[in-house]
Amino acid sequence: LAKTTQPISMDSYEGQEVNITCSHNNIATNDYITWYQQFPSQGPRFIIQGYKTKVTNEVASLFIPADRKSSTLSLPRVSLSDTAVYYCLLNGGPYNNNDMRFGAGTRLTVKP
Amino acid sequence: EAGVAQSPRYKIIEKRQSVAFWCNPISGHATLYWYQQILGQGPKLLIQFQNNGVVDDSQLPKDRFSAERLKGVDSTLKIQPAKLEDSAVYLCASSPRRQGARFGGYTFGSGTRLTVV
Repeated sequence: LAKTTQPISMDSYEGQEVNITCSHNNIATNDYITWYQQFPSQGPRFIIQGYKTKVTNEVASLFIPADRKSSTLSLPRVSLSDTAVYYCLLNGGPYNNNDMRFGAGTRLTVKP
Repeated sequence: EAGVAQSPRYKIIEKRQSVAFWCNPISGHATLYWYQQILGQGPKLLIQFQNNGVVDDSQLPKDRFSAERLKGVDSTLKIQPAKLEDSAVYLCASSPRRQGARFGGYTFGSGTRLTVV
């Protein structure tokens, strides 16, 4: 399975926009890019998924360049409650239930 | 809709004892996964079921871990005998076989925190 690389940690302040970049140089043609969020003592929670260009939902935006070798999760105007670990994964997308393998993720700390 | 239910929430056992975890996935979800998450690491897939059949158990330590999903609904994960390094959170997740354009990824339970002493 293709591997993803993310920063281990990031710090931000309330009200700022946070961009977390994920590198996936060996992404396969049928791979989708999926991001999860995990709070302490909880299981990961799906945030957003995309294949190319830009995807936006009520929580975040996902930017994927044409070569798809990286992706950026953008969290607008973060609050203290956005402090969590964020995971970038590759999987076969909405029509494929192949397993998803998590890396270490990015630990985001939002400060007041 | 109800989420993925897991029990117990916490468990403390001595090494060499046995333990079992239970998972009830979201109704209608055909695919069920068990993950192990050691403190400070990302979740590691242990086993994947499609209905009541095993799809992938390549990372399951089969000498001590076992899992079953009878009738394609609930699932149990067992460890026997437990080792100190099995201390972790055991997460269950489920996913519909096909969700189309409204795919929302896997849904995880809150996990069972196991401490082996």
